[in-house]
Amino acid sequence: RKEVEQDPGPFNVPEGATVAFNCTYSNSASQSFFWYRQDCRKEPKLLMSVYSSGNEDGRFTAQLNRASQYISLLIRDSKLSDSATYLCVVYNNNDMRFGAGTRLTVKP
Amino acid sequence: EAQVTQNPRYLITVTGKKLTVTCSQNMNHEYMSWYRQDPGLGLRQIYYSMNVEVTDKGDVPEGYKVSRKEKRNFPLILESPSPNQTSLYFCASSFSGTAYEQYFGPGTRLTVT
Repeated sequence: RKEVEQDPGPFNVPEGATVAFNCTYSNSASQSFFWYRQDCRKEPKLLMSVYSSGNEDGRFTAQLNRASQYISLLIRDSKLSDSATYLCVVYNNNDMRFGAGTRLTVKP
Repeated sequence: EAQVTQNPRYLITVTGKKLTVTCSQNMNHEYMSWYRQDPGLGLRQIYYSMNVEVTDKGDVPEGYKVSRKEKRNFPLILESPSPNQTSLYFCASSFSGTAYEQYFGPGTRLTVT
């Protein structure tokens, strides 16, 4: 079993739709969680950290469920510019693990 | 502008021909690392460095070497490249360790024939 697992997608949604991705992790001792965004053939960039209480940044909401060992990312009112691959990242004791990513395409 | 730079961006080489991929950051970050990205596998860490003259193996260090003689530079060396090292490579830096935001370079696409 992979340490960090994501549905690779692709998720194809129309503009304005709400879409959610989940990511599961195997190490229950994991301490910190992040979502990175990666555009095609570009470098990953931090989208948002994921806090225990859940957090929101504009149209993006991230949540953590420690009991079930997953994190989620919700995107509301999808824009064409949201098309990208979203990487789930899990950190524990100076060890950072990346998921393989979920690809999102937002269509007009 | 705060950034991580890598060179070259694209490289096609032959098996066994030594190569170096340079990485430089201008943010005075202590932590630097190298990753490779392959389809379906996600980013895997090759080597990392907590500070000058301090380097350590990541998950997939075989066939790679690194050095950290200056804080800003962290070159990746392939002494004898093989086709299974064909991949997309990213250098990253952060303030201190992986608990902080990682800033990635633009990537180096390497093909070994």
